[in-house]
Amino acid sequence: EVQLLESGGGLVQPGGSLRLSCAASGFTFSGYAMTWVRLAPGKGLEWVSTISASGGNTYSADSVKGRFTISRDNSKTTLYLQMSSLRAEDTAVYYCAKPPPVAGTDYFDYWGQGTLVTVSS
Amino acid sequence: EIVMTQSPATLSVSPGERATLSCRASQSVSINLAWYQQKPGQAPRLLIYGASTRATGIPARFSGSGSGTEFTLTISSLQSEDFALYYCQQYNNWPPSLTFGGGTKVEIK
Repeated sequence: EVQLLESGGGLVQPGGSLRLSCAASGFTFSGYAMTWVRLAPGKGLEWVSTISASGGNTYSADSVKGRFTISRDNSKTTLYLQMSSLRAEDTAVYYCAKPPPVAGTDYFDYWGQGTLVTVSS
Repeated sequence: EIVMTQSPATLSVSPGERATLSCRASQSVSINLAWYQQKPGQAPRLLIYGASTRATGIPARFSGSGSGTEFTLTISSLQSEDFALYYCQQYNNWPPSLTFGGGTKVEIK
């Protein structure tokens, strides 16, 4: 059974940093690109960042580019999101998401339960 | 960036009735369009991909249609468990970005 378990969320002051983790199991983690998506209060889903299966390619939304870094450790089957220079508008539930086992597809058939990040003084 | 616009923002429907949700793309996304359902406190659930293909385990009352810039999600006979938020997502313009619509809330009338 595919499982994605996020952790690392919490309350952080503006300008601060936080690292989110997503522990994956039940599938061949190293064979899939992985993605972070967030849901801010009162807003819709927003794609944040994606990393290729090998980790060699990363893509990020303009809203987080230069501040957030996605990475992965395939030996630990874990996805990360290092967030720095956090702003109030980064307050959201952060989900990790997995695409289906079909090459070139970029929608998501499995999602974690999310971890809440609150940026406030 | 491709902008996805969903309408209406809120849809009030009685149980057993049909619900029709719309999603419009600012430029063609072919059929690279997915729909998700999200309930409060839960992760999104994939309903439809490829604009019209139901994901595994999704009831037949959910159907998707459209191509290019205009898409529709239809719930043929609303059940109590269908009252939720629904999002569309394009994955045609990838890389560099994926985009979601703003969502449609389906509420009980």
